Amino acid sequence: EIVLTQSPGTLSLSPGERATLSCRASQSVGSNYLAWYQQKAGQAPRLLIYGASSRASGIPDRFSGSGSGTDFTLTISRLEPEDFAVYYCQQYGSSPRTFGPGTYVDV
Amino acid sequence: QVQVVQSGAEVKKPGASVKVSCKASGYTFTTYGISWVRQAPGQGLEWMGWISAYNGNTNYAQKLQGRVSLTRDTSTSTAYMELRSLTSDDTAVYFCVSERGAGEFAYWGQGTLITVSA
Repeated sequence: EIVLTQSPGTLSLSPGERATLSCRASQSVGSNYLAWYQQKAGQAPRLLIYGASSRASGIPDRFSGSGSGTDFTLTISRLEPEDFAVYYCQQYGSSPRTFGPGTYVDV
Repeated sequence: QVQVVQSGAEVKKPGASVKVSCKASGYTFTTYGISWVRQAPGQGLEWMGWISAYNGNTNYAQKLQGRVSLTRDTSTSTAYMELRSLTSDDTAVYFCVSERGAGEFAYWGQGTLITVSA
């Protein structure tokens, strides 16, 4: 099973600042099948990035993903008030599909 | 537009079973797989299993093997998740997710709260 570790656990930033979130896998993620999701309180997660770097439909271009193999990054170039939420990475290259523990982006 | 709508919240006693439904619309149901994910209160996301909407093949998380069953009804574009022998540790919001492409979790249901309490 691929274990995903996310850092930091909490990121305290202000609107307009840049956010850099890290996701590290215990072994290489097959075909870079790594996704990022945003979850707000009381809501279902929302797909932001798939295939490590492709933005999902309707996702603003301030969200970008990068990385390959075992190290991946989600960058939010300029935080908007609606971006304060929990972010999860997930690998879907092998079974079981696994999620990281999440990074809470806090104002 | 794609919609994924789940059945409503339920309260169950320890030892009981629960069956959650998930109706998909806005696309050809048999084209993509459906995964189930749960989230205990204040916790992260846990993948439970996957079902091919095309042929019904399944793949379950080892932790839940033997207690969970995923099925689907192509005539109504509905997937089902049944969890048996419930304990308080199964109290969580359960999500069904319609996958896309290589398996990214593109369309999420609204979630179904299952509370297990004596």
